[in-house]
Amino acid sequence: GENVEQHPSTLSVQEGDSAVIKCTYSDSASNYFPWYKQELGKRPQLIIDIRSNVGEKKDQRIAVTLNKTAKHFSLHITETQPEDSAVYFCAASIAGNTPLVFGKGTRLSVIA
Amino acid sequence: DTGVSQDPRHKITKRGQNVTFRCDPISEHNRLYWYRQTLGQGPEFLTYFQNEAQLEKSRLLSDRFSAERPKGSFSTLEIQRTEQGDSAMYLCASSQSPETGGLFFGSGTQLSVL
Repeated sequence: GENVEQHPSTLSVQEGDSAVIKCTYSDSASNYFPWYKQELGKRPQLIIDIRSNVGEKKDQRIAVTLNKTAKHFSLHITETQPEDSAVYFCAASIAGNTPLVFGKGTRLSVIA
Repeated sequence: DTGVSQDPRHKITKRGQNVTFRCDPISEHNRLYWYRQTLGQGPEFLTYFQNEAQLEKSRLLSDRFSAERPKGSFSTLEIQRTEQGDSAMYLCASSQSPETGGLFFGSGTQLSVL
């Protein structure tokens, strides 16, 4: 089955700097890669996703890149703000056929 | 409320007792998922349904765990003879169709087994 590895487990950045979180997956058939943000005590919320037919997707300060050959994808947050502080999870699946498999998460701290 | 709702939010039980959790998905969503999350870990898949059909249950942690979605709407997750290792957050999620893939999570049920 699918296995998703996520790095780093913790990340601290200064406000205004960029943050990058990386994930690798094992199943070459996976074609859907979402990212979730979970604030303390709250539910995971989808922030951005990408499908295997594109290499990059951007939404304001957040972007995700995908390298299918290398089986890795990354989340990029630019101009970080204190409210970006949370745990971020990557996930992978074969859309419509397999459930999402999550990474272990990255705790991002943005220092004002 | 148009989101995924779960009940109860918190459950404290003694070891050996049975517990049941309920999940009401977003009304137009036909897929419903159960995940478990422990501190410092990502959500761990347990089982999922399309309408009333349970499509995957081999990831349920043991035969003490079972789930139902009898009418294709709400779902229940039951844990029999609870153990301290069952203490975790149990998350429910739903999605609109098989093709979208995006999950919308509920707030979860925090289970504490004493």
